[in-house]
Amino acid sequence: EADIYQTPRYLVIGTGKKITLECSQTMGHDKMYWYQQDPGMELHLIHYSYGVNSTEKGDLSSESTVSRIRTEHFPLTLESARPSHTSQYLCASSESGRSNEQFFGPGTRLTVL
Amino acid sequence: QKEVEQDPGPLSVPEGAIVSLNCTYSNSAFQYFMWYRQYSRKGPELLMYTYSSGNKEDGRFTAQVDKSSKYISLFIRDSQPSDSATYLCAMSVGGANNLFFGTGTRLTVIP
Repeated sequence: EADIYQTPRYLVIGTGKKITLECSQTMGHDKMYWYQQDPGMELHLIHYSYGVNSTEKGDLSSESTVSRIRTEHFPLTLESARPSHTSQYLCASSESGRSNEQFFGPGTRLTVL
Repeated sequence: QKEVEQDPGPLSVPEGAIVSLNCTYSNSAFQYFMWYRQYSRKGPELLMYTYSSGNKEDGRFTAQVDKSSKYISLFIRDSQPSDSATYLCAMSVGGANNLFFGTGTRLTVIP
């Protein structure tokens, strides 16, 4: 079944730790995205990729980094987590084309103590 | 000024009511309009997608776009408790990478 997966779903970690949030999709989509979502706020795009070896920063400045070595895989890494990184992180994908219909994964809720 | 404005609610209605959810926007270049439904502790789920102005119906859901007023709506008929969720509007310029989201309206349908 075509879907988009994120792991872990929940993560509580101490300040200074390195973390990687995983995102994989089996939808055959070229484009992938990472959003940050905080309560009562709109989703903010932090990274996107149009294909393998293509990554760009989004509208919201983020200390995280991403990589796109395989079409289906788009991990996000924080080298040194801080309490200000506490948020919900959502991964999405879409086909190439004009419509930009994006399909979201279930999200990772990150808490940095 | 935000690109997309959406009343955060919360909105509570009795089961069977007609629900109207709305967003306004400032960028006249937006051509693609979407509604997402997000249940608690889940990712957003694409509910409705429309291009340019007009109406689109899917079961109990109707999406309307009025580009002249820069106003979009989602109507839910015969609302059910399972419709209780946060509804996010989103829109984009054709071919652009960015979706611009509203903050979401939290809806509760009371049995």
